[in-house]
Amino acid sequence: GDSVTQMEGPVTLSEEAFLTINCTYTATGYPSLFWYVQYPGEGLQLLLKATKADDKGSNKGFEATYRKETTSFHLEKGSVQVSDSAVYFCALSDETGGGNKLTFGTGTQLKVEL
Amino acid sequence: DGGITQSPKYLFRKEGQNVTLSCEQNLNHDAMYWYRQDPGQGLRLIYYSQIVNDFQKGDIAEGYSVSREKKESFPLTVTSAQKNPTAFYLCASSRTPGQGDTEAFFGQGTRLTVV
Repeated sequence: GDSVTQMEGPVTLSEEAFLTINCTYTATGYPSLFWYVQYPGEGLQLLLKATKADDKGSNKGFEATYRKETTSFHLEKGSVQVSDSAVYFCALSDETGGGNKLTFGTGTQLKVEL
Repeated sequence: DGGITQSPKYLFRKEGQNVTLSCEQNLNHDAMYWYRQDPGQGLRLIYYSQIVNDFQKGDIAEGYSVSREKKESFPLTVTSAQKNPTAFYLCASSRTPGQGDTEAFFGQGTRLTVV
């Protein structure tokens, strides 16, 4: 079945540091890939997405490129802020059978300190 | 504003009781989903529905039940058969493939605690 593996946290960085959160996936078809962010006590918000190979999703300074050859979708940001502290989830969408089920990674907690 | 509303935000249940979590959306999405979130385990799919009056079991459906009588509503009942119901429950909705972008939109969650 489909699966998503992402690096374990917590990841602790100083403000303005470079961020990478690794994500790799296993899927039988051609999934869409997503990064969601969760702030404490809240639901998930879509951060960015990519629907086909070599697509780059970007939003709020975050970027991720759909790499089919390495089955990866790593999240990057050039300069993190304290307000980026949250849990980040990588996910893929399986649209076989007409549905849109999401498979999530276990989440990576990011802490940004001054 | 369009969105997904889950209620209540916090819910306490005594052992042996059934409890129903509400999820309403006004995004005109056909598909709706229930996920359970436990620390360190990401989100796991409980049930999903692609259309009114139809739903399918997800990966961890045992001890849960759902209904989809209206497009806007997808309530989840946690029954007494669920052995470890304390968790954070998230409802989501999306378009179905072929109707446009299919990213999921999430509610704010319900934290259920068994006391």
